[in-house]
Amino acid sequence: AQKVTQVQTEISVVEKEDVTLDCVYETRDTTYYLFWYKQPPSGELVFLIRRNSFDEQNEISGRYSWNFQKSTSSFNFTITASQVVDSAVYFCALHGGSEKLVFGKGMKLTVNP
Amino acid sequence: GAVVSQHPSWVICKSGTSVKIECRSLDFQATTMFWYRQFPKQSLMLMATSNEGSKATYEQGVEKDKFLINHASLTLSTLTVTSAHPEDSSFYICSASPPQYWGDEQFFGPGTRLTVL
Repeated sequence: AQKVTQVQTEISVVEKEDVTLDCVYETRDTTYYLFWYKQPPSGELVFLIRRNSFDEQNEISGRYSWNFQKSTSSFNFTITASQVVDSAVYFCALHGGSEKLVFGKGMKLTVNP
Repeated sequence: GAVVSQHPSWVICKSGTSVKIECRSLDFQATTMFWYRQFPKQSLMLMATSNEGSKATYEQGVEKDKFLINHASLTLSTLTVTSAHPEDSSFYICSASPPQYWGDEQFFGPGTRLTVL
């Protein structure tokens, strides 16, 4: 069975702080994809990144960076110099051979000015 | 590209009535569409997988007769909540996948907020 665990449920930071969102996954598939989505208060899911299981290179996109570690089954997401606009719920998700996208419970980030 | 729309964006209805939600892929053909439900402060839970021209596959615990799904064309899937009750109030989100889907991200609609009085 596939499972995604986001241990942190809620984090509050002050603007310009760095924040890391943890994601741990479980799957028996050797080929799988990992995702991060942002859900602002409006509700619409915003795609942030997709990573396949064969690519362990870390990725940086502006203030966002992702650390994929197969050895620990983790796919952590770091926001550098956080901004108020980063306030949202962030979901980590896993797609394996079952063709179903499994979401973690989400982590609410609040960035205070 | 890869835009998915939902209509309506929100709906309020009386208990016992039926509500239809549309999900459209605007610039690609979607052989597979997915319907999710999200209760407040909770994660997205897959309700069913909708395949064009065939019956939907429902997840365990989802009532087929209550949540009717029709995927009559490659660009449209509908979810009908029949005899809605207050406990059906939720945020319903659809997503769509192009025919070559496997591992590619699903393209999500903006969601429909259903409130049943």
